[in-house]
Amino acid sequence: NAGVTQTPKFRVLKTGQSMTLLCAQDMNHEYMYWYRQDPGMGLRLIHYSVGEGTTAKGEVPDGYNVSRLKKQNFLLGLESAAPSQTSVYFCASTNGQGASDEQFFGPGTRLTVL
Amino acid sequence: GQNIDQPTEMTATEGAIVQINCTYQTSGFNGLFWYQQHAGEAPTFLSYNVLDGLEEKGRFSSFLSRSKGYSYLLLKELQMKDSASYLCAVVDSNYQLIWGAGTKLIIKP
Repeated sequence: NAGVTQTPKFRVLKTGQSMTLLCAQDMNHEYMYWYRQDPGMGLRLIHYSVGEGTTAKGEVPDGYNVSRLKKQNFLLGLESAAPSQTSVYFCASTNGQGASDEQFFGPGTRLTVL
Repeated sequence: GQNIDQPTEMTATEGAIVQINCTYQTSGFNGLFWYQQHAGEAPTFLSYNVLDGLEEKGRFSSFLSRSKGYSYLLLKELQMKDSASYLCAVVDSNYQLIWGAGTKLIIKP
């Protein structure tokens, strides 16, 4: 099992460009999440999904869109990148909404917006 | 508002014991996680506490006091590979994880 994978691992964008980050999991998990991690701050939830075809906003959704067309994939889109979106992006998945269910994380995507 | 507080950085010596504290103020409480994150890598699960008391798992133990809004992670017999950031996260009333900024632990020989 590969667990949670993310592509790409690194990306440099210019302001105004668009891109899509792909997250895939092979654990048949229902719930998937996109976080961003910035220095000196905790992980912040961007968007999440509780199942195929569903998405919901997290704490910092502005400037991002998501789609969950297949259960195993969760895509994060940046329509018009801004320097404030320079960050490390992590995808995570979990089996259910049980409070004790640990989240499994992908290796991260390091995005720089110039 | 919701708040998780952890020390930014701690230093300890190989072979010693270190305690990393976490205090929280959240809207509801459905448990507390500790994750380990090595530099440049993904967070990985260490422990989950929902009831008061100490949970021991090998060299690592985690303690919770719900009345005090307080938890700590205790690492014994420190090894160089324990150099990492340790993230505290609380499950709030909406079953969302609220994350602390993490504590960077530096182990010296």
